Amino acid sequence: SQKIEQNSEALNIQEGKTATLTCNYTNYSPAYLQWYRQDPGRGPVFLLLIRENEKEKRKERLKVTFDTTLKQSLFHITASQPADSATYLCALDDSSASKIIFGSGTRLSIRP
Amino acid sequence: DAGVTQSPTHLIKTRGQQVTLRCSPKSGHDTVSWYQQALGQGPQFIFQYYEEEERQRGNFPDRFSGHQYPNYSSELNVNALLLGDSALYLCASSLTVSGVNEQFFGPGTRLTVL
Repeated sequence: SQKIEQNSEALNIQEGKTATLTCNYTNYSPAYLQWYRQDPGRGPVFLLLIRENEKEKRKERLKVTFDTTLKQSLFHITASQPADSATYLCALDDSSASKIIFGSGTRLSIRP
Repeated sequence: DAGVTQSPTHLIKTRGQQVTLRCSPKSGHDTVSWYQQALGQGPQFIFQYYEEEERQRGNFPDRFSGHQYPNYSSELNVNALLLGDSALYLCASSLTVSGVNEQFFGPGTRLTVL
């Protein structure tokens, strides 16, 4: 069956450390994968998109990797800050159905 | 430039009733997708509208229907509401370019079914 899984429901990190979130998928062949941030009671906000032919993409303190062999994407936040505390969602395109599938998210907490 | 707007922000209905949720896409966007997000879960794709037609549909029953107007705004209708329909309903707009759908989400409508 098709699945998209994020490594844990919650992750607690000390301020200043690097937070690493994992997204694994099964039985999809996405052309790209996206990461979103969602704060409580708000809609998701797009952060980064990485295509299947890209290994890594960076944006300020954010870095995303995409390994189509392992069927995995890693999302890194370096020099984490309490303001980075939120739920982070990965999403991939189900090209066979032309729709975007979301994982259930990882709730990240950065403690001062 | 206004982003994606949704109305209403909150709604309380009783079982069996019908509800209509509204979405105005980001300026310049032609595609609207609707998602249902239960507490603690990721958004689940309901359907997508493009050029006033339903282009794709997720695993939702026919009680869920929609519409897109010539100005690209969209409605989500849910008939015969069930308790399990209680969720945050998200609208996302995009411009389908090169097959990549970078989506911009609205703040959502919180629907409670009693």
